[in-house]
Amino acid sequence: DAGVIQSPRHEVTEMGQEVTLRCKPISGHNSLFWYRQTMMRGLELLIYFNNNVPIDDSGMPEDRFSAKMPNASFSTLKIQPSEPRDSAVYFCASWGTNNNEQFFGPGTRLTVL
Amino acid sequence: TQLLEQSPQFLSIQEGENLTVYCNSSSVFSSLQWYRQEPGEGPVLLVTVVTGGEVKKLKRLTFQFGDARKDSSLHITAAQTGDTGLYLCAGAATDSWGKFQFGAGTQVVVTP
Repeated sequence: DAGVIQSPRHEVTEMGQEVTLRCKPISGHNSLFWYRQTMMRGLELLIYFNNNVPIDDSGMPEDRFSAKMPNASFSTLKIQPSEPRDSAVYFCASWGTNNNEQFFGPGTRLTVL
Repeated sequence: TQLLEQSPQFLSIQEGENLTVYCNSSSVFSSLQWYRQEPGEGPVLLVTVVTGGEVKKLKRLTFQFGDARKDSSLHITAAQTGDTGLYLCAGAATDSWGKFQFGAGTQVVVTP
């Protein structure tokens, strides 16, 4: 089992550019979560999906952020346009119905200059 | 706004010593989880507690859920350098399945 896969692991971009982060959940898991982690705000839930459907996006900071889950094995988090305050580590996690555990990916470290 | 307050924020101890970290809230949680995160990696689940007053042990780690399900503690006995990491607690509200609110974390450093 490869675990949750995220790409890229590191992203450096300039302010105003579009950024797309990708996540492949663990096969068979039907819930997927996107988090953002910063020193100031800790680990924040941005959005989560259940069976590919967005259930709660109240944590998405503003309209510049959007997330999709076109199928059970892939999700994207897009920031357009990016700003320096978006710099953070973004984690994806998946959850299966047969256990009570979120499995986190290794994260994408985003730096917006 | 963090609903879960963790204390202390940072803890440095020597190998062999004991330590306790705390997670407090004014909210009632249906379940509470503890994670450990190492640099460059995602958090890894250590334990889930669901019953008020519950105590769970994982080798040298002891987890307790408060009677009112508003607080929790993690106690490590005879700490080892491998216990170094960021310890996060996360609570799920009674009406929000799967939506966990994380505390800011306690950074624990165990020195030889």
